Formats: sequence, structure tokens, C-alpha cells
Amino acid sequence: GQQVMQIPQYQHVQEGEDFTTYCNSSTTLSNIQWYKQRPGGHPVFLIQLVKSGEVKKQKRLTFQFGEAKKNSSLHITATQTTDVGTYFCAGPENNSGGSNYKLTFGKGTLLTVNP
Amino acid sequence: KAGVTQTPRYLIKTRGQQVTLSCSPISGHRSVSWYQQTPGQGLQFLFEYFSETQRNKGNFPGRFSGRQFSNSRSEMNVSTLELGDSALYLCASSLYGGSSYEQYFGPGTRLTVT
Repeated sequence: GQQVMQIPQYQHVQEGEDFTTYCNSSTTLSNIQWYKQRPGGHPVFLIQLVKSGEVKKQKRLTFQFGEAKKNSSLHITATQTTDVGTYFCAGPENNSGGSNYKLTFGKGTLLTVNP
Repeated sequence: KAGVTQTPRYLIKTRGQQVTLSCSPISGHRSVSWYQQTPGQGLQFLFEYFSETQRNKGNFPGRFSGRQFSNSRSEMNVSTLELGDSALYLCASSLYGGSSYEQYFGPGTRLTVT
């Protein structure tokens, strides 16, 4: 089945440094979603990308969807301690019937920020 | 709007027992998905229900089952618990489900099997 690979698994930065996490799929994705999970919390939806080459920004966060729609990235500029958490990408899994009722999550990137 | 609620929040069970977890989605959401989260395996999809029908199922043994009621509330059941079932169980609700709609996660049920 379709797999979503995410790297790096861990990233530790000094406050103010930039951070990037990458997501790669073995198959073309119709869309990709990003979630953030704070320590001890639950995943919270950040954004969805649909178009090839799409770039979306949310304040210091920049999300990109690859031209081939098989990879995506999340870049945080000038990290803050509030950015601490695990960032997940998630893509649909196409079943034989063509429906996309299942989201496959990457294993996430745990970001820690040293103040 | 109230968020997704899950009960109980914490549970300790013994091997061989069974457990039922409950999830109440956001009002108006008809899709509920269940995930198992462990440090080693990350977020793994269990199943998804929409209008009381299971539309998709993950790669879990038959000991894991679920159902959805007419008010969209959902339950999942794990029978004959094993130590490896210890995990955070998350449910997520969505307007129509599937990959095109954002999912709203509940706080989870932390299950410990001893």
C-alpha cells in the first residue's frame, strides 16, 4: 500500500533557527495534509495542499507541495518555543475502489527548541 | 462548537480483558476515524465510519472492532487485550470523512494493558 515517509525523525534547534521537515510518498497524492501535535496533546490540523507546486504560508510556516505531488515540506522560519511538537504529514490511501477514506500518516518529526 | 470528546481518558486493563472506548464527534460531523498511536509505530489507522457504515479498515486483527450510532457517536472495542495494545487511541471527526476534509482529533484515551 501507499506509504508516507517523513524525515527527519527528530530535529533540535536553537530558538531563532529555521526548521524544515520533509514528506515523501511512494505514490502520487491527490492532496496532503499537515498536523501538529504538542507534547501530551492531540494532532491539530494545520493545512491542506491540493495543487501541484502549491505553496501556502501561515505566518512563519511555509508549506509546499511538489510538482509531481509525491512530496511536501513544512518550513518554519525563526523557530520559537511555541513551535515545539511533532509535525505530521498525511496523505490519502487509494484503495481498489478508488475511494480515499483512509489517511496515512507519516511517523512525524519531533521538533524541540532550545530557548 | 464543542470539540471531539473521548471517554474514558485513561484506562488500565489486564491481559485477556476487553475494553470499549467512546467518541463523540463535533456536532454535524458524520465521519469518525479511529487511530492507534504508539511511540514506535506512530499514528496507525484503525477504521472509519460514516453514517453508521464502516467505509475503510486498517491492518489490525479482528480483535479490534467498532461501530457508529445514528447520532454519529462511535465506539471501538478491543477484545482479548494484549500487552502490545497499550497505546493512545485517538478518534477524529470530519464533516464527510475521507482525505479531502480536515480531521478534528479528540484528546484520546490512554490505554495501559498490564
